[in-house]
Amino acid sequence: AQSVTQLGSHVSVSEGALVLLRCNYSSSVPPYLFWYVQYPNQGLQLLLKYTTGATLVKGINGFEAEFKKSETSFHLTKPSAHMSDAAEYFCAVSDGGGFKTIFGAGTRLFVKA
Amino acid sequence: NAGVTQTPKFQVLKTGQSMTLQCAQDMNHEYMSWYRQDPGMGLRLIHYSVGAGITDQGEVPNGYNVSRSTTEDFPLRLLSAAPSQTSVYFCASSTGGLAEAFFGQGTRLTVV
Repeated sequence: AQSVTQLGSHVSVSEGALVLLRCNYSSSVPPYLFWYVQYPNQGLQLLLKYTTGATLVKGINGFEAEFKKSETSFHLTKPSAHMSDAAEYFCAVSDGGGFKTIFGAGTRLFVKA
Repeated sequence: NAGVTQTPKFQVLKTGQSMTLQCAQDMNHEYMSWYRQDPGMGLRLIHYSVGAGITDQGEVPNGYNVSRSTTEDFPLRLLSAAPSQTSVYFCASSTGGLAEAFFGQGTRLTVV
């Protein structure tokens, strides 16, 4: 069975500071990993995904994530936070079928001016 | 460019009532799924479909029915609403495999 744990339900950073959102996964098969972002009253949209190959994945809006198999982690980072980054972020794992994606509980990012 | 369309956006039901949440996509995606989003619990998979005529249960299927008669539509039926079904419901579609899921705007359901 697959599962995802996001460490920290809320993260607060200052504008311009590093953003680090933590995600650990459990999977009995090679995992496919995703980060989605949800703005208020919106659906989710894909930030980035890891399938195979390069373990450092770059996404939209300056975000990137690194797949570390030894640590079963897929942490999301952004060097410099912007006010518009304030949203809820979800880490997700899939068995590759695409339709049985398991989501973490989410981390709400607050950005202070 | 509609993508995934959910209706209604908001709904209030009384306990015991039934209703159908509508989901339609115009991207010719084979895979469609329904999730519910509750505070602190992320998104949990209710039901999914891998094509017209094929559906299966997700993590939390009890109290919900689905059918998939066409590629475009994937309605979610609440048979007898309960307060525990108060949630935000999201429909998603994808081409399957390693492709991303595209989400609708959500339906906020309150059962009183």
